[in-house]
Amino acid sequence: AQSVAQPEDQVNVAEGNPLTVKCTYSVSGNPYLFWYVQYPNRGLQFLLKYITGDNLVKGSYGFEAEFNKSQTSFHLKKPSALVSDSALYFCAVRDMTNAGKSTFGDGTTLTVKP
Amino acid sequence: EADIYQTPRYLVIGTGKKITLECSQTMGHDKMYWYQQDPGMELHLIHYSYGVNSTEKGDLSSESTVSRIRTEHFPLTLESARPSHTSQYLCASRGTGNQPQHFGDGTRLSIL
Repeated sequence: AQSVAQPEDQVNVAEGNPLTVKCTYSVSGNPYLFWYVQYPNRGLQFLLKYITGDNLVKGSYGFEAEFNKSQTSFHLKKPSALVSDSALYFCAVRDMTNAGKSTFGDGTTLTVKP
Repeated sequence: EADIYQTPRYLVIGTGKKITLECSQTMGHDKMYWYQQDPGMELHLIHYSYGVNSTEKGDLSSESTVSRIRTEHFPLTLESARPSHTSQYLCASRGTGNQPQHFGDGTRLSIL
């Protein structure tokens, strides 16, 4: 079985400050990890993924995520938040041996205030 | 970029009607998925397919059905719509291995 936890329903940051959106996961094997963003009235858009190798992954729009195997975490980060980053963020995991389904977290609403 | 298409984007319809939500992708992906999502809330997997003539029920029980007669097309059907079916329905597809899912922009369904 695989699972994902996003412990914060809401994250509020001021524009220009760094942001972190937290994600922890559980899989029986090695994980593929993903972050997606959803804007109102749109589908999810892929931001970045961890497959193997370097623990710091860089993605779209200046976002990055750090894979920590011992803490089973994959937190999303950005050094300087923009108001336009305000959206709903989903973390997802898929076991490398699982050919099919991903498991998504419940989502975290990020609000960046000017 | 819209390489996975869902129609209609919005649908308001009365109780008891038969509804088909369309989903098409142009990427040749074998794996396709339907999710139900209330606005701003979590995703619930309701159906998935690993290829032509393959369909499975997802984690959330749903009264809908799906078919996969062609690789690019994965329609979802409600035989008799009820107000409890009011929600947003998202379709997704992905390629093999470590590829992420590509999502359509969804159909927002309201049953009166």
